[in-house]
Amino acid sequence: DVKVTQSSRYLVKRTGEKVFLECVQDMDHENMFWYRQDPGLGLRLIYFSYDVKMKEKGDIPEGYSVSREKKERFSLILESASTNQTSMYLCASTTPYNEQFFGPGTRLTVL
Amino acid sequence: QKEVEQNSGPLSVPEGAIASLNCTYSDRVSQSFFWYRQYSGKSPELIMSIYSNGDKEDGRFTAQLNKASQYVSLLIRDSQPSDSATYLCAASSGSARQLTFGSGTQLTVLP
Repeated sequence: DVKVTQSSRYLVKRTGEKVFLECVQDMDHENMFWYRQDPGLGLRLIYFSYDVKMKEKGDIPEGYSVSREKKERFSLILESASTNQTSMYLCASTTPYNEQFFGPGTRLTVL
Repeated sequence: QKEVEQNSGPLSVPEGAIASLNCTYSDRVSQSFFWYRQYSGKSPELIMSIYSNGDKEDGRFTAQLNKASQYVSLLIRDSQPSDSATYLCAASSGSARQLTFGSGTQLTVLP
């Protein structure tokens, strides 16, 4: 079974803090993704990576950056957290058949 | 721009009935299609993948794909209250690594 883990289930941060969200997959998948999900807005793609040290912007990359130093690990960074980044953050990795498997999610609250 | 459209619902069916969830997509090059189930507060879980025209059955779930009409559906037979969730439809093209998600249909199975 594919396993995608995320570093935290719940996180509370202050405005202006730098926030790191980490995602690890154990299936040697090349492609990894970061989404945020908000009520009424669905899943929105922030960034994705198709190889180590490679990244591509998704639909809403502003205010975020990513890092992929190892194949199994994909990190999302909020450089200076703001209240409008309060959301559910979901990481996923993809099989060669484009099946995406999601981690459990991190519910981030920025105060 | 690729779009995946779903009836937002909510859809209510009595326990034991067949629930029918529909999805249309606008991109003719889409080749792979997926259904995800998402319980409230949880991450999406892949329940069906379909790649060719016709029906694909897995237990109580049947996915149907019609590429000429650009729609994909999910039938849930013998619906149970535990099937109550939001169901997300997603599509990808062969060359793209990303999935395009619909906004989801909320299903309630009434005991």
